[in-house]
Amino acid sequence: NAGVMQNPRHLVRRRGQEARLRCSPMKGHSHVYWYRQLPEEGLKFMVYLQKENIIDESGMPKERFSAEFPKEGPSILRIQQVVRGDSAAYFCASQGYTEAFFGQGTRLTVV
Amino acid sequence: DQQVKQNSPSLSVQEGRISILNCDYTNSMFDYFLWYKKYPAEGPTFLISISSIKDKNEDGRFTVFLNKSAKHLSLHIVPSQPGDSAVYFCAAGPGGGSEKLVFGKGTKLTVNP
Repeated sequence: NAGVMQNPRHLVRRRGQEARLRCSPMKGHSHVYWYRQLPEEGLKFMVYLQKENIIDESGMPKERFSAEFPKEGPSILRIQQVVRGDSAAYFCASQGYTEAFFGQGTRLTVV
Repeated sequence: DQQVKQNSPSLSVQEGRISILNCDYTNSMFDYFLWYKKYPAEGPTFLISISSIKDKNEDGRFTVFLNKSAKHLSLHIVPSQPGDSAVYFCAAGPGGGSEKLVFGKGTKLTVNP
């Protein structure tokens, strides 16, 4: 999973601020998945993107959350007006034919 | 609505013994099953997988068994080592590539020296 790069590793935001999480998939992969892990929970699918397209956003909260994967540059998961409940580890995955390869995650803490 | 369930939040075994981690699923459309290992503050690492056309897959000390009729799979680690201590996630998907995975809540394995 070393090929999937996420930054920052840790992010602290005050309530009401915006959080931007970045992910670069493995070289040669054009699909990106975002997952969220809340405390004491498993990973929950949020969104699946290809370059310039959102394929499946069924796991995204309806408000404040958005994601993009532009033609150039990393995928961005954006959380507007963060609340304490957004505190979690956010993982990006780059998928081969079957298994997904994960980045090291961004741990978001909302204070 | 938990489609993938790991009913044991934790498991403790002695070094050298067998560790058995269990996973149940409800969705008959799942065709591919995976186990991931996760250390604190790191991303999940792929461990082993199995497709529904098989009932067993082995890789070194790790073996995954699939009972499709019972919608149950298990991961066996033999012999267990202290370095195996981690959280293990079971995941499932429809297979065929480019499909989102559904994860269980994980089982924390502790292997005692």
